Formats: sequence, C-alpha cells, structure tokens
Amino acid sequence: QKEVEQDPGPLSVPEGAIVSLNCTYSNSAFQYFMWYRQYSRKGPELLMYTYSSGNKEDGRFTAQVDKSSKYISLFIRDSQPSDSATYLCAMILYSGAGSYQLTFGKGTKLSVIP
Amino acid sequence: GAGVSQSPSNKVTEKGKDVELRCDPISGHTALYWYRQSLGQGLEFLIYFQGNSAPDKSGLPSDRFSAERTGGSVSTLTIQRTQQEDSAVYLCASSFSGTAGSGNTIYFGEGSWLTVV
Repeated sequence: QKEVEQDPGPLSVPEGAIVSLNCTYSNSAFQYFMWYRQYSRKGPELLMYTYSSGNKEDGRFTAQVDKSSKYISLFIRDSQPSDSATYLCAMILYSGAGSYQLTFGKGTKLSVIP
Repeated sequence: GAGVSQSPSNKVTEKGKDVELRCDPISGHTALYWYRQSLGQGLEFLIYFQGNSAPDKSGLPSDRFSAERTGGSVSTLTIQRTQQEDSAVYLCASSFSGTAGSGNTIYFGEGSWLTVV
C-alpha cells in the first residue's frame, strides 16, 4: 500500500459545481497536510496548508483533515474554468533534527467545463 | 530572484549522453529539493539539501544520478548515460528552512522537461 493514495481522475464538472478532491494516507505520523495546484507545463503552487484536524477556508477553497480516518479533502466552491488543473495532496512527517519527509499523492486532474 | 529558476526548460538528448539540469533557488532559501514527475505519476523525491548539512540522497534512483549544491545556492542535477526511462519533468523547489510546522512554504520552479530519444 502506498503511503498516500489519490484518485488520478480525470474529474470533469460543470462550471459552478462544488468539487471534492480526496487523499488517504497510511502513516499516522504525518503531521502537516498541503494541497498544490499544477497547471499544464507549470510547477506546482501551494494552495492550502494545515496541520490539525478540522476545516480551513481560503476563499472558494476549503481544506479538511480527518486524522482519525487518515483522510484529507479539498473542496472548491463555485468552480471556474480557471480551476482546471491537476491537484496534488502532500504530507509532511517531521522527524526532528532538521529531517523530514515530504510525500505527494499522484494528483487528480480536474476539468471545469464552461 | 523572484522565484525558483530552472534551466533548461526543455532538453532533448540522445540515449547514452549526459545531461545537466540547473536550479537557482529563491534568494535566502536554505532548503532545496529535486523531484521527478513522469507522465501519469506523482512527484518522486530525488534529493534534498539543507544548508551545510549532508544532502539526503535517498531518492536518487541509480548511481547515474547525482546532484550538488555550490555555495549553498545553485544546484545542478546530473544524469549520466541517459536512458529513455529518464524522460520526465525534473522539478526543483526551495524553502526558507528545512523545518516544517511554521507554515513553511515550498516553492517550485517550472521544471526542466527532459526527453531522451
């Protein structure tokens, strides 16, 4: 079992829909959780960062973490064609002494249709 | 600089040749990472530099791959005797420090797109 599982999609939704993107993980030691957005032929850019269970909102984006279920989600409200991209979840396991492990999911490709 | 800069942005090379990929991190960032992203695959960790510490090379797939970071800034990833399976996007990233927990943000470059023919 991979440490981080993410459905690669592709996911296609109409403009204005609510999008739900999810990742599961197996290592309960992961402490920090992030979502990156990657446009075609671009590098990933950080969207959301959280370290506790619960919800974190930023505009149309909500990141949700459930550590008991080892499950994280990214919700996009009122989706726009400009949201079409690949979304990658990422997790950090910090082992101290300046050493940490950053693991990415494979990414979900999202298309928002006008 | 304003962001992480990588060069070349695109490279086509013949099988068996050596290639060098360059990364110029954001000024002041002490941590530098190299990742590889193949078509349909996630980001594969290659190597991590943090300040003057010994690099974490645990992700390098074979001894054909090596990387160095000179003066704590610019890094070069070298692939010797390239193979077709080396074709991928090589992404460099940097962060202010190597410690998480402070909302530390990892910034990626645009990547170097390598094609081995």
